[in-house]
Amino acid sequence: AQTVTQSQPEMSVQEAETVTLSCTYDTSESNYYLFWYKQPPSRQMILVIRQEAYKQQNATENRFSVNFQKAAKSFSLKISDSQLGDTAMYFCAFWTGANSKLTFGKGITLSVRP
Amino acid sequence: SAVISQKPSRDICQRGTSLTIQCQVDSQVTMMFWYRQQPGQSLTLIATANQGSEATYESGFVIDKFPISRPNLTFSTLTVSNMSPEDSSIYLCSVSAGVGNIQYFGAGTRLSVL
Repeated sequence: AQTVTQSQPEMSVQEAETVTLSCTYDTSESNYYLFWYKQPPSRQMILVIRQEAYKQQNATENRFSVNFQKAAKSFSLKISDSQLGDTAMYFCAFWTGANSKLTFGKGITLSVRP
Repeated sequence: SAVISQKPSRDICQRGTSLTIQCQVDSQVTMMFWYRQQPGQSLTLIATANQGSEATYESGFVIDKFPISRPNLTFSTLTVSNMSPEDSSIYLCSVSAGVGNIQYFGAGTRLSVL
């Protein structure tokens, strides 16, 4: 079975600083996708970034980047130059073709302080 | 990408009644998903709805309680039947669209059962 673990329930960061959100996963599959989703208080789930397991290069989307360590089954999200609008709950998620479903972590609440 | 319209955005219902939540997508998609989310918690998959076939329910969810319709490739409904206060939650519609198995989400329906 696939599992996704986000061990930090909440974090806080000063505006303009950098923060890293941790995520580990467990699977026996070799081909899969990893995602970070953001859910602000408005409830709308928004895709932040996606990583294909077969790609060694870490994905980057503007201020958001990942550190993908396949051997360690680790997939952390780095947010640079944090902004007040980054305040949200962040979910790490995992997808494989074995069941064609997203498996979500418990999420982490990130607060950006002005 | 996909744009999802979910209605209603919120509702307050009486115990024993039923509520139908609608999910409309701006493009044709094969797979649609229904999730439940307690405030501040992770997402729990209720069922997967493919057009032209019966929905596939996850463990702990049954068709009599959560009947789903999928009449075409752009629309689905989830009914929460014979509601009790324990059904108070956020219900989210999601679709898998585009490359890379990305899932897109509706804004959710916040349901309160009195």
